[in-house]
Amino acid sequence: DVKVTQSSRYLVKRTGEKVFLECVQDMDHENMFWYRQDPGLGLRLIYFSYDVKMKEKGDIPEGYSVSREKKERFSLILESASTNQTSMYLCASSFFLEETQYFGPGTRLLVL
Amino acid sequence: KNEVEQSPQNLTAQEGEFITINCSYSVGISALHWLQQHPGGGIVSLFMLSSGKKKHGRLIATINIQEKHSSLHITASHPRDSAVYICAVVDGATNKLIFGTGTLLAVQP
Repeated sequence: DVKVTQSSRYLVKRTGEKVFLECVQDMDHENMFWYRQDPGLGLRLIYFSYDVKMKEKGDIPEGYSVSREKKERFSLILESASTNQTSMYLCASSFFLEETQYFGPGTRLLVL
Repeated sequence: KNEVEQSPQNLTAQEGEFITINCSYSVGISALHWLQQHPGGGIVSLFMLSSGKKKHGRLIATINIQEKHSSLHITASHPRDSAVYICAVVDGATNKLIFGTGTLLAVQP
């Protein structure tokens, strides 16, 4: 079974803090994704990575950066958290870009 | 206008009813996914379709590529089917997933 884990289920941070969200997958998948999910807007792609040290911007990359130093690990960084980044963050991985994505349990982030 | 539209947005059904959730899209696609998200956040992939029909247990998914439309059917619905069902298409030009906003299904006993 594919397993995608995320470092935290719930996180509370203050405005201006640097926030790290980590995602680990155990199936040797090439592709990893970070989404945020907001009511009425569905899932929106922030960044994805198709190989170690490779990344591409998604639909809403502003205010975020990512890091993929190892194949199994994909980190999302909020350089200076703002209240409008309060959201559910979901990580996913897949072998091929167009194939089934396997999702982590999500991190609910609250920025005060 | 969203590139992926789902209907209805909310659906309440009685246990045992046959349920249909619809997805229409406007882009050229290479595949379409149906996903299920339970309260608490976890998302599970139900189906990936590029043509025709797939069945898994009480769930059936169909796609009509010419009409750019897919349906997810649940037969003999049960309260444990209560979840958000999300349609997502793989954009044929970019290979990126484009998500619908989801259908919130509540099945009452």
